[in-house]
Amino acid sequence: KQEVTQIPAALSVPEGENLVLNCSFTDSAIYNLQWFRQDPGKGLTSLLLIQSSQREQTSGRLNASLDKSSGRSTLYIAASQPGDSATYLCAVISLETSGSRLTFGEGTQLTVNP
Amino acid sequence: DTAVSQTPKYLVTQMGNDKSIKCEQNLGHDTMYWYKQDSKKFLKIMFSYNNKELIINETVPNRFSPKSPDKAHLNLHINSLELGDSAVYFCASSRISRASGRMETQYFGPGTRLLVL
Repeated sequence: KQEVTQIPAALSVPEGENLVLNCSFTDSAIYNLQWFRQDPGKGLTSLLLIQSSQREQTSGRLNASLDKSSGRSTLYIAASQPGDSATYLCAVISLETSGSRLTFGEGTQLTVNP
Repeated sequence: DTAVSQTPKYLVTQMGNDKSIKCEQNLGHDTMYWYKQDSKKFLKIMFSYNNKELIINETVPNRFSPKSPDKAHLNLHINSLELGDSAVYFCASSRISRASGRMETQYFGPGTRLLVL
């Protein structure tokens, strides 16, 4: 059974700092990996989707990497801003005979202080 | 236009009541999901429908019954509500890739905050 772990659970940084969020998964037979952002009291917003054949994806100040063999992904946020404060969720889509399944980590709560 | 919408946004009700949450997507996706987010913010899948057919049914009490009248709607009905059902329920949708048969990016609704008293 796929398990997804995110470290750290919470992170507080000053504005302007570069930071890395970590995600690990137990079963490397994944189809793709997705990073989401959740703002307090709101739904989820998809940030980046990395296919299993890809090593990384970039969108603006965000860069996500994927190392399937070691079961790890990182989300790099450059020049952090207070507006980046949110919970960041990592989710993997696993390959199963019954179809595809999205499994979430518990999230990293990020606070960027002005 | 909202891509994935849920109603109601907030639901406060008494134990033992029966309630429904509605979800609609206008993205033309063929697969819809219900997730439960508990007090620790952990998201767990409950159900998934592809073209109105149930494809994922996690270990969820049978008081929870999903209904998909068409590909754009997936409603969640809950019977005999219990205190432990209090959570945020998220609906999501995606498309299954015709080339690979696998799920593409999921889009989420804003969530329904259920409080059972």
